Amino acid sequence: DSGVTQTPKHLITATGQRVTLRCSPRSGDLSVYWYQQSLDQGLQFLIHYYNGEERAKGNILERFSAQQFPDLHSELNLSSLELGDSALYFCASSVTSSPYNEQFFGPGTRLTVL
Amino acid sequence: AQSVTQLGSHVSVSEGALVLLRCNYSSSVPPYLFWYVQYPNQGLQLLLKYTSAATLVKGINGFEAEFKKSETSFHLTKPSAHMSDAAEYFCAANTGNQFYFGTGTSLTVIP
Repeated sequence: DSGVTQTPKHLITATGQRVTLRCSPRSGDLSVYWYQQSLDQGLQFLIHYYNGEERAKGNILERFSAQQFPDLHSELNLSSLELGDSALYFCASSVTSSPYNEQFFGPGTRLTVL
Repeated sequence: AQSVTQLGSHVSVSEGALVLLRCNYSSSVPPYLFWYVQYPNQGLQLLLKYTSAATLVKGINGFEAEFKKSETSFHLTKPSAHMSDAAEYFCAANTGNQFYFGTGTSLTVIP
């Protein structure tokens, strides 16, 4: 158990819908990272937040957005969902914003878009 | 742009044999380098990370990796494979604000 929690574990929805994925970092960690893992694209970095502020963006679509709240939990919002958005979404947390710090990964949320 | 290449999407070794998983990065400036392991239905777990203090990096579970700047490589090795090593392995690079993962290598250990 990494100490990072993600809810829900599974999510099934239809195309065009909007969903919110939630991540609670390890106690004391200020950074949250979001990743998408799919069979065709592999593991892709989406976005990084540190202490409530966006620090870096990766391959995140405009239909996707994220935020980190004052209690440091984070939410990833996916809208106008398409079949291709079906994937495993991971969040990870680390102590600081340093890229050298170990990231602790949550168990992931499996999103299925029908 | 930075990229990470893992040669071999599937590697099979016999139990007790040497494990060698290959990773090359593309950058004129060595990024931060990592190896992660992913067991079925779980998130990623850090195996080891590159520090400029030493080119040979030791990680958990008996794994180690050698950084070779001249070859832009960071291959992962383990002298003797164990059944519990069967998993997906990812090489990753961080250039400061962007993370790049390789496509992963699935390791099968044959008893």
